[in-house]
Amino acid sequence: DTAVSQTPKYLVTQMGNDKSIKCEQNLGHDTMYWYKQDSKKFLKIMFSYNNKELIINETVPNRFSPKSPDKAHLNLHINSLELGDSAVYFCASSYTTGGEKLFFGSGTQLSVL
Amino acid sequence: SQQGEEDPQALSIQEGENATMNCSYKTSINNLQWYRQNSGRGLVHLILIRSNEREKHSGRLRVTLDTSKKSSSLLITASRAADTASYFCATDAGTGNQFYFGTGTSLTVIP
Repeated sequence: DTAVSQTPKYLVTQMGNDKSIKCEQNLGHDTMYWYKQDSKKFLKIMFSYNNKELIINETVPNRFSPKSPDKAHLNLHINSLELGDSAVYFCASSYTTGGEKLFFGSGTQLSVL
Repeated sequence: SQQGEEDPQALSIQEGENATMNCSYKTSINNLQWYRQNSGRGLVHLILIRSNEREKHSGRLRVTLDTSKKSSSLLITASRAADTASYFCATDAGTGNQFYFGTGTSLTVIP
């Protein structure tokens, strides 16, 4: 069983479209994250949720809206996609917020044309 | 913002050799972690070292931490082709609730 699963794996879309990426973890963790990895492999945190509550929002444009319907799911919706949004988006989870190790999904490669 | 910076950016060695990669960071930390990322995959946790620890081992991995120099190193002994991957350090900047990553060291182990 995959611990942290995200879909889709690849997403190709036109500028201006709206798209969503879904993430689910079956580890029973309280905390989930979205990270963005750019073409230089720099990995930057975007959001963190603890038990469905937003705890970190790292100056991400408000076109990005995370939603956590329950603590096992954290979805990412992106409005009005721009060329600069092209990247690999990783979902991750940890047992709690307190410096625990992260478990990552396999990533969603988003290409905005 | 706080982030780990790995050095070198790329490293190529022969199978059986040791690989050493370094991480420097800017502010005080509670923990530092090392992760591996195989091409096209997510990151996998390797080892966590706390600020009051100086060295930690896990199998062929050895991690050191020097908080006075704000640096850490990851040593992989007797490398194998399967160790080919990117390696990232992540620091918590003293917050304990999120981790900041760098751009990683790309390791190639030649069979």
